[in-house]
Amino acid sequence: GAGVSQSPRYKVAKRGQDVALRCDPISGHVSLFWYQQALGQGPEFLTYFQNEAQLDKSGLPSDRFFAERPEGSVSTLKIQRTQQEDSAVYLCASSSGTGIHTQYFGPGTRLTVL
Amino acid sequence: AQSVTQLGSHVSVSEGALVLLRCNYSSSVPPYLFWYVQYPNQGLQLLLKYTSAATLVKGINGFEAEFKKSETSFHLTKPSAHMSDAAEYFCAVRPTGANSKLTFGKGITLSVRP
Repeated sequence: GAGVSQSPRYKVAKRGQDVALRCDPISGHVSLFWYQQALGQGPEFLTYFQNEAQLDKSGLPSDRFFAERPEGSVSTLKIQRTQQEDSAVYLCASSSGTGIHTQYFGPGTRLTVL
Repeated sequence: AQSVTQLGSHVSVSEGALVLLRCNYSSSVPPYLFWYVQYPNQGLQLLLKYTSAATLVKGINGFEAEFKKSETSFHLTKPSAHMSDAAEYFCAVRPTGANSKLTFGKGITLSVRP
């Protein structure tokens, strides 16, 4: 079946622009996660949804970062007034539950801020 | 807080040689542990996971890992490396409670020499 998809795969933004990154999870998966992966580093947690509820946003680096999942399916990560330090790969993952359930990752969106 | 340490950033082995990638974790209680592999320009793929059942866990592509509580380790091994194993490998930890966010190590790049 279809896996997690993300769009766009690549995004170049000028500093100060707003960007929106989309994640389509595996159908029926209630849990959705966003991670940020800087060059040469492991992914770092940003935020977590269970259905439409954002249960943990402790990893969002600043109030310029905002995520939503209004209908409990597709999610959008929005970054306002992008800065160069926002350049990274943004990974989305979904799972059918919590606990031992495997998180399945999408291919990521590579954001470059000039 | 939980953390993962992956010593070294790069491991190089000859084709057919043993692969050993080290991972040590820090957690107040035994967590769930994972190994993911990432190929260039792709998302993370789960290799195997430890969920408090058997301490020796077998995964895909001939990989296995052993959970050693006394050493707080979860090292990844494969008896015979193949060229297609060249990739980046991430160890990750997750608490056993309701909080499902993964905490990743920095990753290790595996190179396989012909």
